[in-house]
Amino acid sequence: GQQLNQSPQSMFIQEGEDVSMNCTSSSIFNTWLWYKQDPGEGPVLLIALYKAGELTSNGRLTAQFGITRKDSFLNISASIPSDVGIYFCAGQTNFGNEKLTFGTGTRLTIIP
Amino acid sequence: AAGVIQSPRHLIKEKRETATLKCYPIPRHDTVYWYQQGPGQDPQFLISFYEKMQSDKGSIPDRFSAQQFSDYHSELNMSSLELGDSALYFCASSLPGSYTEAFFGQGTRLTVV
Repeated sequence: GQQLNQSPQSMFIQEGEDVSMNCTSSSIFNTWLWYKQDPGEGPVLLIALYKAGELTSNGRLTAQFGITRKDSFLNISASIPSDVGIYFCAGQTNFGNEKLTFGTGTRLTIIP
Repeated sequence: AAGVIQSPRHLIKEKRETATLKCYPIPRHDTVYWYQQGPGQDPQFLISFYEKMQSDKGSIPDRFSAQQFSDYHSELNMSSLELGDSALYFCASSLPGSYTEAFFGQGTRLTVV
């Protein structure tokens, strides 16, 4: 089946630093989504990408849909304590109403 | 804004018992997805429904079944529970059509003892 490799697996940063994480796939996705999950809670949608090459921002978050349709990255600028959590990329092979294939997750920890 | 509602939030069952998890999608969302997330794992797709019909099936054990009702809420029925079924179970919903995002509920934590 399809696999999404997400890296890094974990990050330890200081408050105020920028963060970058990415997702790569062995096959093409037509939609990329980025979610954040707090412990014991459901994933919360951060950014949705629908077009190859698309660059989308949501506040301090910026994500891009790779031109090959096989990768995506998420950047977080000027990290703050509430950014702590697990970030998942997710892909859909078609446009909407399709199951999500999740990446392996990136755990973000902010060092005081 | 209304979100996806799941109940119960926590459930403790013994081995070989049955469990029923409920999901109430966001109003006007007609597609429901179920995911299972083990400790330290990413969510794994179980099953989905569109307009009350099963639309896709993932790695769902035969002991599990699900359905979507006329009011679009969905129930996941789990029988002959095993210790390995202990996990977070998430429901997500989305609007019909293309370019629609899936929004997740807060999940049900199932513990099988």
